[in-house]
Amino acid sequence: AQTVTQSQPEMSVQEAETVTLSCTYDTSENNYYLFWYKQPPSRQMILVIRQEAYKQQNATENRFSVNFQKAAKSFSLKISDSQLGDTAMYFCAFIKTQGGSEKLVFGKGMKLTVNP
Amino acid sequence: NAGVMQNPRHLVRRRGQEARLRCSPMKGHSHVYWYRQLPEEGLKFMVYLQKENIIDESGMPKERFSAEFPKEGPSILRIQQVVRGDSAAYFCASSPGVGYGYTFGSGTRLTVV
Repeated sequence: AQTVTQSQPEMSVQEAETVTLSCTYDTSENNYYLFWYKQPPSRQMILVIRQEAYKQQNATENRFSVNFQKAAKSFSLKISDSQLGDTAMYFCAFIKTQGGSEKLVFGKGMKLTVNP
Repeated sequence: NAGVMQNPRHLVRRRGQEARLRCSPMKGHSHVYWYRQLPEEGLKFMVYLQKENIIDESGMPKERFSAEFPKEGPSILRIQQVVRGDSAAYFCASSPGVGYGYTFGSGTRLTVV
């Protein structure tokens, strides 16, 4: 089975602080793709960051970076200098390929609140 | 580039009616995916289509639900004889190919009364 687990349902952080969101996944594949998506109250799903499993270097996008531990099947998201606009649901996702098909499989999400 | 366009944004249907949800992918994207999100939950895969082909419909309920992506025009998710349990947000996403990550539309919130 290929699953994505986000064990923390909710977190809060003060503005300007750093926060880390955890995610683990399970797969038997060697090459795959991992993503973090953000869903603010507007409900729009926004791609935050993408990681290719064959790349050892951790992906970064401005204030967002990941800690990708392939052997441990861990893919955490670090948000530096948190801003009020970072308040949202965050979903970890994994591309599952099977029989010529591919689809994003999402974790259950984690609600992040950034307080002023 | 207008992104992934979904309409309508909100749709109210009475039980037993039909719901038709539309999705126009980003320009240059030939892969379309439909997802459903229930309140307080993540997105659940429904169907994956390419032009004129259903690639994977393993997440679609066996009855009342169908999807298409014709050669011309938007992708359509059709729900016949809606029931209250169909109330959810339905998201469409598109991608140019495998592994690129998906661009999502703003979703259609379906309410069945």
